[in-house]
Amino acid sequence: SQTIHQWPATLVQPVGSPLSLECTVEGTSNPNLYWYRQAAGRGLQLLFYSVGIGQISSEVPQNLSASRPQDRQFILSSKKLLLSDSGFYLCAWSGIALYEQYFGPGTRLTVT
Amino acid sequence: AQTVTQSQPEMSVQEAETVTLSCTYDTSESNYYLFWYKQPPSRQMILVIRQEAYKQQNATENRFSVNFQKAAKSFSLKISDSQLGDTAMYFCAHGEEAAGNKLTFGGGTRVLVKP
Repeated sequence: SQTIHQWPATLVQPVGSPLSLECTVEGTSNPNLYWYRQAAGRGLQLLFYSVGIGQISSEVPQNLSASRPQDRQFILSSKKLLLSDSGFYLCAWSGIALYEQYFGPGTRLTVT
Repeated sequence: AQTVTQSQPEMSVQEAETVTLSCTYDTSESNYYLFWYKQPPSRQMILVIRQEAYKQQNATENRFSVNFQKAAKSFSLKISDSQLGDTAMYFCAHGEEAAGNKLTFGGGTRVLVKP
């Protein structure tokens, strides 16, 4: 069966520091991968998605970037964090023939 | 751009009773997919139910069922025999057959099941 991992689970970082969040999927090949951000009590905002290695589409211009160095690995990064980057970050995957997405446990990021 | 609207920010229901959550969406496509996700306090997003637009029959998963009205672009979720573990945020989502199979989510409805 497929599983999706995210780490770290919780992160507290000062303003101006770099960021790297990692997401990996097991049990499937060539998945579509997604990064979302969720503000407290709000819906999900799609940040990036990827349909293959090295292929990244950005949905919202911002302080963040994404990379996909391997088929089942998706990384969310920032060179300098802003206070507004605080939130709950969710990674998700879907299969080529699937339309539903399956989510990881999320990372709670607090920028101080 | 697709939009998904959940007009009920919060709902409460007594244990064992039924609650219905509303969702409307906007699309120009004829074939698409609709989903309900549950997010309990742990914040893990869990797929509850899916509906393909080309299917007229409403989807059912145990105590969860949908009322899909394609012409009205409406997709409501009914939770029957509500249980305390159903307390969560519920998100409606819409997806289309396009590059990346992206989903558009509604703003969510908080459901509180009272004992």
